[in-house]
Amino acid sequence: GAGVSQSPSNKVTEKGKDVELRCDPISGHTALYWYRQSLGQGLEFLIYFQGNSAPDKSGLPSDRFSAERTGGSVSTLTIQRTQQEDSAVYLCASSLGLAFSTDTQYFGPGTRLTVL
Amino acid sequence: KNQVEQSPQSLIILEGKNCTLQCNYTVSPFSNLRWYKQDTGRGPVSLTIMTFSENTKSNGRYTATLDADTKQSSLHITASQLSDSASYICVVSALRYNTDKLIFGTGTRLQVFP
Repeated sequence: GAGVSQSPSNKVTEKGKDVELRCDPISGHTALYWYRQSLGQGLEFLIYFQGNSAPDKSGLPSDRFSAERTGGSVSTLTIQRTQQEDSAVYLCASSLGLAFSTDTQYFGPGTRLTVL
Repeated sequence: KNQVEQSPQSLIILEGKNCTLQCNYTVSPFSNLRWYKQDTGRGPVSLTIMTFSENTKSNGRYTATLDADTKQSSLHITASQLSDSASYICVVSALRYNTDKLIFGTGTRLQVFP
C-alpha cells in the first residue's frame, strides 16, 4: 500500500475486555514499531519488530500487553483485561530496517482506544 | 536517567515569521536525534535525522542543528506558514546493545496565525 495503515481507527471497549489492534506496514519494510500516545503526553515506545522477531520488548507497560508479527508483514497489538489507563492513541510505524539507527520511520494514522 | 526535554511547551507566531524550537537531552550513549512533525489527529512525520557527526541538516524551510557536546538541538522554521501549525517532537536514540532505544520529548505545540 501507499502508507502504513491501522485498524480500527477508533475502538471503544469496556474495562476488562480484550482488544486487538492491527497494523499493516509499508510493503517491503522489515522493521515495525508500536507506540502509545496518551492525552497530553509524549509518544511512548512499546515494542519493535525486525522481521517477525522483537529484539526490544522493554516498552510494554505490563504483561497484559503483547504483540506479534507474522510473515514479516502485519502486526497485531493485543491488550488483555483493558484498564482505563490504557486509553490512548496507539501508533504503528514501519521502516526499511536496513540501517536501524538512521531509518526514517513512517507512521500510520493510529488507533484511538477508549476504555470505559 | 535518559531524558529529552523540549521548550517551549507551546508557541504562537504570525505567518511569515521565523521561530526556533529547543531540545535538550541527557541520553547516553547517543546514537542519533530526530525531529518529527505531528499534525493533530495524524501520525508523526519525520523531518530530519542527525547522527553524532552532523551539526546541521535542512529539509526545506526546516533546519535542525545538533551540538553533541552540550547535548542540545534546535529546529528552526523559516518564513512560517499556516500549515506549520503542529506539534514538533524531538526523539533521541540511545544505543543499547545492538539496537536503539528511542526516547521521546513531549513536544512543542506550534500555532501559526495569519
